[in-house]
Amino acid sequence: GESVGLHLPTLSVQEGDNSIINCAYSNSASDYFIWYKQESGKGPQFIIDIRSNMDKRQGQRVTVLLNKTVKHLSLQIAATQPGDSAVYFCAENSGGYNKLIFGAGTRLAVHP
Amino acid sequence: DTGVSQNPRHKITKRGQNVTFRCDPISEHNRLYWYRQTLGQGPEFLTYFQNEAQLEKSRLLSDRFSAERPKGSFSTLEIQRTEQGDSAMYLCASSSNAVARGQGDTIYFGEGSWLTVV
Repeated sequence: GESVGLHLPTLSVQEGDNSIINCAYSNSASDYFIWYKQESGKGPQFIIDIRSNMDKRQGQRVTVLLNKTVKHLSLQIAATQPGDSAVYFCAENSGGYNKLIFGAGTRLAVHP
Repeated sequence: DTGVSQNPRHKITKRGQNVTFRCDPISEHNRLYWYRQTLGQGPEFLTYFQNEAQLEKSRLLSDRFSAERPKGSFSTLEIQRTEQGDSAMYLCASSSNAVARGQGDTIYFGEGSWLTVV
């Protein structure tokens, strides 16, 4: 079936470096993508989203890139901080009412 | 706090007992979702309400599971005759109507309700 997956289960970075978390999706009909951050014991926290009619969107210290040709999504975090340590999920919406399909997640570990 | 509220946050129950979780969505949101998440996995869709109507249920939602949203505001998720395999975090989320197809509105999640079946 259709699925959303991630290339790397764990990413370790030094504080202050930029982080890039990647995600592949398989449903070419998906038109909306979201990145969530989840800290231990908490619910997913919205970070940034992008629609399929865009290829880049920027937020505060975060940028999402969408490459529809290869069905690839990435989250870039600038100047990574210890507070960014968490599991990051990409999710795709292929339904009209935001039924999200999540990948397994990437753990980001930020070292001082 | 105007976010999605869930309670109880933690529930330990004996196998075979019934449990009920409550979700209060963001007040102006008419769409409400339940997801389940196990350790190391992403959330999995269980069911979706638009106002009081339950419009979709996942195959993951067995006959022992029932969700309601009687007045189109808060929702409850009941699990009857719990099994150890039901141990997970149950997440509620809400969103408003997408203004138009392709504009995708943001889904906000609550902090989840942890269920441990012993």
